[in-house]
Amino acid sequence: DGGITQSPKYLFRKEGQNVTLSCEQNLNHDAMYWYRQDPGQGLRLIYYSQIVNDFQKGDIAEGYSVSREKKESFPLTVTSAQKNPTAFYLCASSIGGAYTGELFFGEGSRLTVL
Amino acid sequence: KQEVTQIPAALSVPEGENLVLNCSFTDSAIYNLQWFRQDPGKGLTSLLLIQSSQREQTSGRLNASLDKSSGRSTLYIAASQPGDSATYLCAVETSYDKVIFGPGTSLSVIP
Repeated sequence: DGGITQSPKYLFRKEGQNVTLSCEQNLNHDAMYWYRQDPGQGLRLIYYSQIVNDFQKGDIAEGYSVSREKKESFPLTVTSAQKNPTAFYLCASSIGGAYTGELFFGEGSRLTVL
Repeated sequence: KQEVTQIPAALSVPEGENLVLNCSFTDSAIYNLQWFRQDPGKGLTSLLLIQSSQREQTSGRLNASLDKSSGRSTLYIAASQPGDSATYLCAVETSYDKVIFGPGTSLSVIP
């Protein structure tokens, strides 16, 4: 079955540590996205990539970094520069092109900073 | 700036009732509107996507309508079941290729 796989599902981090969240898709989608979800707020875009080896900052990119070396993979690194990293992180993909179109999401990764 | 709101924030209904969830947006220049379902601690599941040229979409017991001129969309759920309990989010794609999410409506269907 085609879909988006995020790992790990739960992650605990000590302050000052970088952590990397994995996102893999087998939908053959060109575009991939990382969102952050906090209680009571809508999803906020961190980074997105419309093609391999290219990515753009979203609304809240500070303290995060990404790479897009393969079409299927779009890992997110939460760096020590992110002041409030505890959140639920969601990876998504779409066919891409001129418009985003229908978004498909993974199951999410919950990061807790101790 | 596009803003998306969903009212009410929470809704509780008895099983079997038909219900309507609301989504409002401030800028009518959108490409599409998408409804999602989110179970606790899970990702978002796409329910329906309405293109800006469409008025409604249907899938099973779900029907979503779109009125761009008034900046509104509704998600109609027929004959609600306890398994429909979840948070429902809407998202609009703006004319400048940005997707804006609403905060969601938490639905509880009571057996």
